[in-house]
Amino acid sequence: DSGVTQTPKHLITATGQRVTLRCSPRSGDLSVYWYQQSLDQGLQFLIQYYNGEERAKGNILERFSAQQFPDLHSELNLSSLELGDSALYFCASSVGTGVDSPLHFGNGTRLTVT
Amino acid sequence: GEDVEQSLFLSVREGDSSVINCTYTDSSSTYLYWYKQEPGAGLQLLTYIFSNMDMKQDQRLTVLLNKKDKHLSLRIADTQTGDSAIYFCAETLGGSQGNLIFGKGTKLSVKP
Repeated sequence: DSGVTQTPKHLITATGQRVTLRCSPRSGDLSVYWYQQSLDQGLQFLIQYYNGEERAKGNILERFSAQQFPDLHSELNLSSLELGDSALYFCASSVGTGVDSPLHFGNGTRLTVT
Repeated sequence: GEDVEQSLFLSVREGDSSVINCTYTDSSSTYLYWYKQEPGAGLQLLTYIFSNMDMKQDQRLTVLLNKKDKHLSLRIADTQTGDSAIYFCAETLGGSQGNLIFGKGTKLSVKP
């Protein structure tokens, strides 16, 4: 068990809808990262927060947004959903932001857009 | 551009050694990582190596880094059926942990 909790485990929704994915990092970790895993694109970094502030942005669509709250949990909001957004969404956390601070991943939320 | 390449499949017999290979592109990567993903689970960090090292050993795992050729390998000694999983190689871009670039993963199948 990595200590990173993601809810829900599965989500099925229709095109055009909006969903929120939730992540609780490991105790003591200040950084939260969101990744998308799909069959064709593999694992893609979306966004990183550190202690409530956005730290780095990757291949995140404008329809997607995230935030990290004072209690350090994070939410990823996906709106105007398209079929191609179906994927596994992983949250990871780490103590710091440096490359010597390994990521610990949650078990993911599987999103299916129909 | 940034890219991490891995072969997609590897099949070995139980008790044999497995070698999973990876090539990366960013010569400024300071750390390189190996993650393991079992079915239905998230990625589990197996080991990582600092770019000024050639080799790192951790129990049954040996990581070899050839910085000149930008080649990374993971050797699993005495492979067990429980090692069956997808193994991801990842590199960092610059100094940011967030910019982890992952390969597509190598699916390791261990036959009894």
